[in-house]
Amino acid sequence: KAGVTQTPRYLIKTRGQQVTLSCSPISGHRSVSWYQQTPGQGLQFLFEYFSETQRNKGNFPGRFSGRQFSNSRSEMNVSTLELGDSALYLCASSLLGQDQETQYFGPGTRLLVL
Amino acid sequence: QKEVEQNSGPLSVPEGAIASLNCTYSDRGSQSFFWYRQYSGKSPELIMSIYSNGDKEDGRFTAQLNKASQYVSLLIRDSQPSDSATYLCVLGTSYGKLTFGQGTILTVHP
Repeated sequence: KAGVTQTPRYLIKTRGQQVTLSCSPISGHRSVSWYQQTPGQGLQFLFEYFSETQRNKGNFPGRFSGRQFSNSRSEMNVSTLELGDSALYLCASSLLGQDQETQYFGPGTRLLVL
Repeated sequence: QKEVEQNSGPLSVPEGAIASLNCTYSDRGSQSFFWYRQYSGKSPELIMSIYSNGDKEDGRFTAQLNKASQYVSLLIRDSQPSDSATYLCVLGTSYGKLTFGQGTILTVHP
């Protein structure tokens, strides 16, 4: 089975712009979670989507949003970029998003905001 | 108090030694625990999962869980240089949320 894929792998944006990141889960996985990783804060949960519905959300401002399509592919969007949004954005997929399920991570998208 | 706290690193052990990584968590109701490994520049990958009190062994790795003490640990026996990475203690909850500790950097020197 192909693993989780994320596009693009690298992005450079300027403050105030917006960005859209894409994640394709492992075939058959319906839950997609997004995480932000920074040196200072570590890995933090952004949100989770299942069957095109956001079921869970972390403590991030409304500038961070996402969606999921009927084929389980997911996108996240960050509007009005700030310097502090520079980070590695990881998505992970699992079958149903249950607590005992393994989440499989994609390679990440590294975003640099100038 | 952080939800997941890992013992401060970095941790350096000689090749062949046992590496011991520890973690405490604050939510007494937590049921699902994972250890992920992350190599520099790579994404996290699962090493072990543990859900019941006691020990769980998989090859050179042993995870230990003590829910009464809210304590999780990972032992790596016969440590190899290829084990050098950041080890993440992780709590799993429903609706796809993982809560990560800050990570412990392990270096295994020849």
